[in-house]
Amino acid sequence: NAGVTQTPKFQVLKTGQSMTLQCAQDMNHEYMSWYRQDPGMGLRLIHYSVGAGITDQGEVPNGYNVSRSTTEDFPLRLLSAAPSQTSVYFCASSYSLLGQETQYFGPGTRLLVL
Amino acid sequence: ELKVEQNPLFLSMQEGKNYTIYCNYSTTSDRLYWYRQDPGKSLESLFVLLSNGAVKQEGRLMASLDTKARLSTLHITAAVHDLSATYFCGAQKLVFGQGTRLTINP
Repeated sequence: NAGVTQTPKFQVLKTGQSMTLQCAQDMNHEYMSWYRQDPGMGLRLIHYSVGAGITDQGEVPNGYNVSRSTTEDFPLRLLSAAPSQTSVYFCASSYSLLGQETQYFGPGTRLLVL
Repeated sequence: ELKVEQNPLFLSMQEGKNYTIYCNYSTTSDRLYWYRQDPGKSLESLFVLLSNGAVKQEGRLMASLDTKARLSTLHITAAVHDLSATYFCGAQKLVFGQGTRLTINP
């Protein structure tokens, strides 16, 4: 049971490049989410999903796309990277959005946009 | 709109002392979560608080929830160096506080 996995661990991009951050979980969780962590800002929700085929925007969705074709995977796409997207990105999952159980976080992806 | 605020944001304390981190949230929330993050690492779940008056304890950490005051606290008793970390509270599963960076000095 690997839990929540994220790839890559580190990435450097040039402004305007696109890329996909991968997130997968093997716990059969319906709820998955993406956060970015910036100094002094805590964690801010980018997008989330309550099940395959269902996604919604969080607090800071601009510049990011998501899709959820399977229960296991929830990739985050940066369409045209900007320096403001330099951050640490965390993926998380739990059984459901409204359930009382905690979320499990992946190890994070550190992204630097030059 | 649900907002979560923690204070203090930075806390430096000596081993053996007691202190409390506060987490205020702006609208009704029936769930409050506490997490710990070590430098360069991911978030680890500490406590899930589900009802008014809920209290949970693990070692030197104790968390409580007052839904009427929209306030949760994380109390550290007789701090030890190993508790140095950043602590986050989160309401529902969507909104987090800014985090409290706790440094415990020998």
